[in-house]
Amino acid sequence: ETAVFQTPNYHVTQVGNEVSFNCKQTLGHDTMYWYKQDSKKLLKIMFSYNNKQLIVNETVPRRFSPQSSDKAHLNLRIKSVEPEDSAVYLCASSNRVSNERLFFGHGTKLSVL
Amino acid sequence: QQKVQQSPESLIVPEGAMTSLNCTFSDSASQYFAWYRQHSGKAPKALMSIFSNGEKEEGRFTIHLNKASLHFSLHIRDSQPSDSALYLCADSNMGYKLTFGTGTSLLVDP
Repeated sequence: ETAVFQTPNYHVTQVGNEVSFNCKQTLGHDTMYWYKQDSKKLLKIMFSYNNKQLIVNETVPRRFSPQSSDKAHLNLRIKSVEPEDSAVYLCASSNRVSNERLFFGHGTKLSVL
Repeated sequence: QQKVQQSPESLIVPEGAMTSLNCTFSDSASQYFAWYRQHSGKAPKALMSIFSNGEKEEGRFTIHLNKASLHFSLHIRDSQPSDSALYLCADSNMGYKLTFGTGTSLLVDP
């Protein structure tokens, strides 16, 4: 079954380093998202893109920057990570026609030491 | 700011019981309401969604929406151990943003 693929599964790094996470969807959807799930399992939207255009940009620190090369790919770069960035980053996609049902990837777990 | 609150925070029910999960939302303009389920270490997966007031049933799951009281709920009939998971409700005003609730952790005791 086609799905939403994220890499890496886990990443451990130190404060101040730069990290990049990749996401690809093979569902043919036109909208992609990044969500952050904290240690209490709260799921918060960070960004959403529709056809490569930034649509939603929640209040996130400027060290976070999404990058979309086409509507099937949405990457996330974090410059100079902080301890509070430790979380699971979930990528998702949807088709506006399907009324906003999100299909999630398995997530990238980031640990900042 | 759009907020979604869930109750209870955690719940333990015996196998075969009816489980009821609740969600309240703050945005009266919300038009889309959904429940997601996330098993431990897995991706959240959509369970059911509803647009208009009333009930919708799919198998053992029923979703109920009351927009006037800013409340929707999920009921699981004949709860099974495989239903043990984190349940997340969400709403949207169709603006490319699904806002999730705080989650209810369900344990079905066999």
